Amino acid sequence: EADIYQTPRYLVIGTGKKITLECSQTMGHDKMYWYQQDPGMELHLIHYSYGVNSTEKGDLSSESTVSRIRTEHFPLTLESARPSHTSQYLCASSRNRDTQYFGPGTRLTVL
Amino acid sequence: GESVGLHLPTLSVQEGDNSIINCAYSNSASDYFIWYKQESGKGPQFIIDIRSNMDKRQGQRVTVLLNKTVKHLSLQIAATQPGDSAVYFCAENPPIGGGADGLTFGKGTHLIIQP
Repeated sequence: EADIYQTPRYLVIGTGKKITLECSQTMGHDKMYWYQQDPGMELHLIHYSYGVNSTEKGDLSSESTVSRIRTEHFPLTLESARPSHTSQYLCASSRNRDTQYFGPGTRLTVL
Repeated sequence: GESVGLHLPTLSVQEGDNSIINCAYSNSASDYFIWYKQESGKGPQFIIDIRSNMDKRQGQRVTVLLNKTVKHLSLQIAATQPGDSAVYFCAENPPIGGGADGLTFGKGTHLIIQP
């Protein structure tokens, strides 16, 4: 059973607000990822990290930013939320380049 | 081009029947493949994986088949149950250097179990 957590699970917020989506894992994994997913659709990688102080952009361009100050924590921030940011955000972690373990996701709605 | 894709967006099967979900990949250098199950409102959950040096791998009620000749991956679920209803994603692990490091996911197949 994977131990990866995301908060909040659901968030409804107005346009222009700054938000931070939290992701934590207790498995000691070096690699962490953020994906964006519309309901029932494919996952798009928006950010990933190889370890502390490492952040990389994924395949899908995103206006969000991430940080990796601690191994277990990989928060995602939107400085100014817009309706186009409405989506589900999934966090994952892995020990190597293979199996990724996912959190439950945060469903974000921007009004 | 599309690196991983599924042939059918929706698959409907009768409870108790076997299900087969297919996946095509384009990177012949990928050395690892994985199937995930995603239930509504949840994150993807690992089902089974297979490395490129294998053709078949079995788990509990699930079997993954890999055909490297035609770059095809399939997931077989035996005696499908209502709890198997979900979206199933395949993913491949291409070699480093082609872009973002890590798994590349397909579009997903929605498996519907009919009573």
